[in-house]
Amino acid sequence: DGGITQSPKYLFRKEGQNVTLSCEQNLNHDAMYWYRQDPGQGLRLIYYSQIVNDFQKGDIAEGYSVSREKKESFPLTVTSAQKNPTAFYLCASSMLTLASNQPQHFGDGTRLSIL
Amino acid sequence: GDSVTQMEGPVTLSEEAFLTINCTYTATGYPSLFWYVQYPGEGLQLLLKATKADDKGSNKGFEATYRKETTSFHLEKGSVQVSDSAVYFCALRGGGGADGLTFGKGTHLIIQP
Repeated sequence: DGGITQSPKYLFRKEGQNVTLSCEQNLNHDAMYWYRQDPGQGLRLIYYSQIVNDFQKGDIAEGYSVSREKKESFPLTVTSAQKNPTAFYLCASSMLTLASNQPQHFGDGTRLSIL
Repeated sequence: GDSVTQMEGPVTLSEEAFLTINCTYTATGYPSLFWYVQYPGEGLQLLLKATKADDKGSNKGFEATYRKETTSFHLEKGSVQVSDSAVYFCALRGGGGADGLTFGKGTHLIIQP
């Protein structure tokens, strides 16, 4: 089945440590996205990418970095500069068209906690 | 910028009750509107969408109509079930389509037997 796979499901970070969250999709979508979800806050956009080797900052990019070396993969690194990283992280993808009518498809998320 | 406002939760209903979750939006141009559902510990699943004014999206007994005059996209279901208990998110995607979605804060729905 086509879909989006995020790993790991749970991740723990020590102080001063960088951690990388994986996101892979086999939907042949051009665009990929990373969101952060906090309780009662809804989802906020961290980074997005429309094409390989290109990505754009979202609303809360500080303390995060991404890469897009392959169409299928869009890993997110939570750096030590992110002072409040505990959250649920969701990866999404969509077809890329000039219209706004394409929905985004989501993975099952990674829950990051601080040790 | 774009924004989405949803009714605060939790919303608690008895099984077979009528459901309405209000959603209003602010956006430039002609956005597409979506409802997503999130079950505990999982990602978001697309529930329904509408891409232009007066469109009605529907799925699994849920409906929502794109009302441009009131900038609203309220979610309704005629008879809810315990299995509908989840968090529901209203979202919009602006013109251009390449950017991310703008989400409301979510409404936690609890259905009691």
